[in-house]
Amino acid sequence: AQSVAQPEDQVNVAEGNPLTVKCTYSVSGNPYLFWYVQYPNRGLQFLLKYITGDNLVKGSYGFEAEFNKSQTSFHLKKPSALVSDSALYFCAVRDDNTDKLIFGTGTRLQVFP
Amino acid sequence: ETGVTQTPRHLVMGMTNKKSLKCEQHLGHNAMYWYKQSAKKPLELMFVYNFKEQTENNSVPSRFSPECPNSSHLFLHLHTLQPEDSALYLCASSRDRNSPLHFGNGTRLTVT
Repeated sequence: AQSVAQPEDQVNVAEGNPLTVKCTYSVSGNPYLFWYVQYPNRGLQFLLKYITGDNLVKGSYGFEAEFNKSQTSFHLKKPSALVSDSALYFCAVRDDNTDKLIFGTGTRLQVFP
Repeated sequence: ETGVTQTPRHLVMGMTNKKSLKCEQHLGHNAMYWYKQSAKKPLELMFVYNFKEQTENNSVPSRFSPECPNSSHLFLHLHTLQPEDSALYLCASSRDRNSPLHFGNGTRLTVT
């Protein structure tokens, strides 16, 4: 069955430190993977995607994510966190067999000054 | 500005009311979606329209009725809702099914 898991409800990090937000997935076919961010009182905004090609994907606002097929993971990373990165982050996966897009439960990132 | 506009931003309605949520996109996209976002739950896909045709209905109760008169507009008609229907309702659009979604800012619905 298709699924996506974000094991952490919240991630806390100090400004200037690297951050990682975890995501693992399960699909029957090839995965299309996405990260979205949601700021308070706003809709979700697209950050980056992996369809095929290089395992390291670069996206908006200095974020990147690494596709790891053997670990079925697509963790979101940033080398140096900003207070303004504090938001809710969603991982999503589309299974090219089912064509369904499924979102994770979200991880709240809190960056402290 | 996301290119997807939702109105109203907030809506409070009684269980016997009838109301409608509106979504408009000026991105030239062909697919439009309704999602429900509740606290501590994954985003729930409700309906998908592709070229104005409904292609997905994820077992949504009939008290939610979508309408897509053209590829730029999407409505969600609400009637006899329950308090558990209170949530943030998000509209999204995409160029096609494999392109990233562009979301509106949502309508915060409270059913009293």
